[in-house]
Amino acid sequence: KQEVTQIPAALSVPEGENLVLNCSFTDSAIYNLQWFRQDPGKGLTSLLLIQSSQREQTSGRLNASLDKSSGRSTLYIAASQPGDSATYLCAVELSGGGADGLTFGKGTHLIIQP
Amino acid sequence: EAGVTQSPTHLIKTRGQQATLRCSPISGHTSVYWYQQALGLGLQFLLWYDEGEERNRGNFPPRFSGRQFPNYSSELNVNALELEDSALYLCASSLGTGGWNQPQHFGDGTRLSIL
Repeated sequence: KQEVTQIPAALSVPEGENLVLNCSFTDSAIYNLQWFRQDPGKGLTSLLLIQSSQREQTSGRLNASLDKSSGRSTLYIAASQPGDSATYLCAVELSGGGADGLTFGKGTHLIIQP
Repeated sequence: EAGVTQSPTHLIKTRGQQATLRCSPISGHTSVYWYQQALGLGLQFLLWYDEGEERNRGNFPPRFSGRQFPNYSSELNVNALELEDSALYLCASSLGTGGWNQPQHFGDGTRLSIL
């Protein structure tokens, strides 16, 4: 059974710092990996999707990498801002076409101090 | 473009009752997914509908069921409610089996509270 783990569970840093969030998964036979953010009481906002054949994806200040063979992904946030405060979730899709849904980690709760 | 919309925002029920939650996908999306986010358990996959049919379900009992309508909107029904069903229920949509490696887009959820 696929398990997704996110470290750390919580992180508090001052504004302006660069930071890395970690995600690991037990079964390397994934189809893709997605990073989301969730604001309190809200749904999920898709940030980046990395296909299994890709090594990284970038969007603005966000960069996500994928090392499928070692079962790891990182989300790099550059020049953090208070608006980045949220819970960040990573999720893997095991088979194409959405057949198994997404398997999620429990998230990293990020606080950016002004 | 309108995102995924869910209703109601909050729902309060008592044990043994039935709950119905609704979801409208993004226009053009044919796949709808339901997830449960219970405190301490994280997000868990519940059901997947595509082109009007249930395609797969997660590890949940049969009292969790639903359907997808011809306009691709979806309904989640939870029968014989139990206290542990209290959770945020999230709906997501995607382009479906015709759109591989497409991200899932989520609504803001329905908060179901069982008294």
